[in-house]
Amino acid sequence: EVQLVESGGGLVQPGGSLRLSCAASGFSFSTYWMSWVRQAPGKGLEWVANIKEDESEEYYVDSVKGRFTISRDNAKNSLFLQMNGLRVEDTAVYYCATMEWGGPFDYWGQGTLVTVSS
Amino acid sequence: DIRMTQSPSSLSASVGDRVTITCRASQGIGNYLSWYQQKPGKAPKLLIYAASSLQSGVPSRFSGSGSGTDFTLTVSSLQPEDFAIYYCQQSYGAPRTFGQGTELEIK
Repeated sequence: EVQLVESGGGLVQPGGSLRLSCAASGFSFSTYWMSWVRQAPGKGLEWVANIKEDESEEYYVDSVKGRFTISRDNAKNSLFLQMNGLRVEDTAVYYCATMEWGGPFDYWGQGTLVTVSS
Repeated sequence: DIRMTQSPSSLSASVGDRVTITCRASQGIGNYLSWYQQKPGKAPKLLIYAASSLQSGVPSRFSGSGSGTDFTLTVSSLQPEDFAIYYCQQSYGAPRTFGQGTELEIK
């Protein structure tokens, strides 16, 4: 069974940093693109970033470029999102998800809440 | 960016009803279209990919159709567990974008 478990969310002040983690199991993690998708409270879904299986390519939504960094550790079946320079508008539940290139977000974790507030 | 527009934004229906949700892309996206179901406090769940392919384990009462710019998600006979928010999403262009969601409520 595919499992994705996010952690690392919490309350942070504007300008602060957080590092989210996603522990994967039940599938061959190193053969999948992986993504982060977020959802602001009461709002819709927004893709944030994705990373290729071998870390050779990574992509970001414009609003987080230069502030967020996606990475992975295939030996530990883990995905990360380093978030710096956090803004109030980054407040959201952050989901990690498997991704097929040109295809859907197949499997999702339960999400971790990031709240940016003073 | 490719804009995805769903209609209606909300829909009231009864158990047993047949319902259709529409998703329109701002430019042609072939069949690079997926549908997700989200229940309160839960992660989205993939229902349909490649516009019309049913994800494993998803009941056959769910179906998708369309190509190019116009797509539909149909639930043939609503069950109590189907009341949720539904999102379409394109994977043709970068960035990947979602529709605003359609809330399916019990009448």
